[in-house]
Amino acid sequence: NAGVTQTPKFRILKIGQSMTLQCAQDMNHNYMYWYRQDPGMGLKLIYYSVGAGITDKGEVPNGYNVSRSTTEDFPLRLELAAPSQTSVYFCASSYSEGSGEQYFGPGTRLTVT
Amino acid sequence: AQKVTQAQTEISVVEKEDVTLDCVYETRDTTYYLFWYKQPPSGELVFLIRRNSFDEQNEISGRYSWNFQKSTSSFNFTITASQVVDSAVYFCALSEAKDDKIIFGKGTRLHILP
Repeated sequence: NAGVTQTPKFRILKIGQSMTLQCAQDMNHNYMYWYRQDPGMGLKLIYYSVGAGITDKGEVPNGYNVSRSTTEDFPLRLELAAPSQTSVYFCASSYSEGSGEQYFGPGTRLTVT
Repeated sequence: AQKVTQAQTEISVVEKEDVTLDCVYETRDTTYYLFWYKQPPSGELVFLIRRNSFDEQNEISGRYSWNFQKSTSSFNFTITASQVVDSAVYFCALSEAKDDKIIFGKGTRLHILP
């Protein structure tokens, strides 16, 4: 049972480049989330999904896009990377809505220069 | 709107001392859930506990205990006889029953000194 997996673990992007952060879970969770964690800060919700085909914006969605074509996968797309997007990105999943604890992936450390 | 405040940005204690991490929350909902997560230096996020708003009973798990008080909107976390391995950032979080999201506090960085 792998839980929540994220790839890549590290990435350096140049300003203006694009990339997709991959997230997959094998727990058959309907709810999935993307957060960013800036140095010394808490977690900020970027996007979330309550099931395949359904996504919604969180607190800081600008500059990102998501899709949820399957229950297992929830990729995060960065278009036109900017230095302000330098952060650690965490994907999480949950078996229910807000009442359930979230299971987190190991994170992707992204640097935009 | 829901909000979680962890006023202690950073705490340092000597090993074997007890330490309490404060968490104050705001919500208009009568049904909500509170969480604590641990983020050790390795960076992963580890779930510690979930509490629903109807259960104010304190909980103890080994050296960890949680004090939930609705009257003061607080959900404090105490580590007894702290150990160096407890050094981490601890996040308190809140979710309202009608919502699909969890709101995290900014975290408290805990240093346990040998």
